[in-house]
Amino acid sequence: GDSVTQMEGPVTLSEEAFLTINCTYTATGYPSLFWYVQYPGEGLQLLLKATKADDKGSNKGFEATYRKETTSFHLEKGSVQVSDSAVYFCARGSNDYKLSFGAGTTVTVRA
Amino acid sequence: NAGVTQTPKFQVLKTGQSMTLQCAQDMNHEYMSWYRQDPGMGLRLIHYSVGAGITDQGEVPNGYNVSRSTTEDFPLRLLSAAPSQTSVYFCASGKGRQRQETQYFGPGTRLLVL
Repeated sequence: GDSVTQMEGPVTLSEEAFLTINCTYTATGYPSLFWYVQYPGEGLQLLLKATKADDKGSNKGFEATYRKETTSFHLEKGSVQVSDSAVYFCARGSNDYKLSFGAGTTVTVRA
Repeated sequence: NAGVTQTPKFQVLKTGQSMTLQCAQDMNHEYMSWYRQDPGMGLRLIHYSVGAGITDQGEVPNGYNVSRSTTEDFPLRLLSAAPSQTSVYFCASGKGRQRQETQYFGPGTRLLVL
């Protein structure tokens, strides 16, 4: 079935460090790909998305590119802040409205 | 707009008790769903609905019932709570079935079953 494999955490970084979270997905069909973020004590919010191959999603300094050849959608940010501390989920969407989520990666940014 | 709201925020149940988790959205979205979040497992789909009067099972439906009598509301019922249902529950809604549609999540209900 549809699945998403996400880099395991936790990840601890210093402020202004570079962040990468790896995500790969099963290639059946033509999925859309999403990154959701969950700040402490809150629900999930959409961070960015890409709907077709080579699309780049971006928001709040985060970027991810839909790579069909490697079935990947890695999340990157060039300079993280303490406020970026959260759990990040990669997700795969299909035409049946169902989202398949990765396990989540906890990121902690220290001042 | 309030978006997606969930009540209660936190609940403790004893094994065998029943309860209903409430979910409402004010965005006139056709599609609604329930997920549970467990450590190391991401979010897993319990049940979903593509419109009023229509519901279907997700990945982990056992022990849960849903109904969709209105577009706005999508309650999740635990028939006889078990410790394995201890989890954080999220309701989500979206305006379309298409794969590119964003789903909007509520703040979650944390459930502890003793």
